[in-house]
Amino acid sequence: DQQVKQNSPSLSVQEGRISILNCDYTNSMFDYFLWYKKYPAEGPTFLISISSIKDKNEDGRFTVFLNKSAKHLSLHIVPSQPGDSAVYFCAASDGAGNNRKLIWGLGTSLAVNP
Amino acid sequence: DTGVSQNPRHKITKRGQNVTFRCDPISEHNRLYWYRQTLGQGPEFLTYFQNEAQLEKSRLLSDRFSAERPKGSFSTLEIQRTEQGDSAMYLCASRTGGSHSPLHFGNGTRLTVT
Repeated sequence: DQQVKQNSPSLSVQEGRISILNCDYTNSMFDYFLWYKKYPAEGPTFLISISSIKDKNEDGRFTVFLNKSAKHLSLHIVPSQPGDSAVYFCAASDGAGNNRKLIWGLGTSLAVNP
Repeated sequence: DTGVSQNPRHKITKRGQNVTFRCDPISEHNRLYWYRQTLGQGPEFLTYFQNEAQLEKSRLLSDRFSAERPKGSFSTLEIQRTEQGDSAMYLCASRTGGSHSPLHFGNGTRLTVT
């Protein structure tokens, strides 16, 4: 049973426009959410995170929004650049025992076209 | 390079052989994780160390798998009597002890069991 769902396997966006990647979760105990980017043959690279006490976190071109009541978060990339083309993973954790093991979605493959 | 380092990058082995992978975390990180990722999936948690103590193991980690972190620095993951189903990317990650510190991943070891 997928506790973290990324329902769009792929997304294609024009360079300079906004990319919006979505993520839904089912476990109300999750209190920390992260987005990672992954290029082929590399490990995931941390992008941005958000705690459940916030509804928005911004870092440069990347903004994550959290809607706790809807159990939904989204990653906005603006403006999108061709180098942003990668697979984006949403991950969540509940901090039980301070383990912070992450539960991951299946990823969304983003293609930014020049 | 002060990132997480994994060796080897690729390993091809015949079914039934034993393999061992090494992970060198970021030096000031006391928490170390092993994950496994197959094509089209997000990473799956395998095990977690805080310093040299292995604090959690996933039920995915059968008795053929063993992980160690003897001095609280580098870690090894050994798979005995490999099976074709063990073919995957094995990812190591580390983080500091802060509750909301993100995981930083290495580039993984890709295992192919023939």
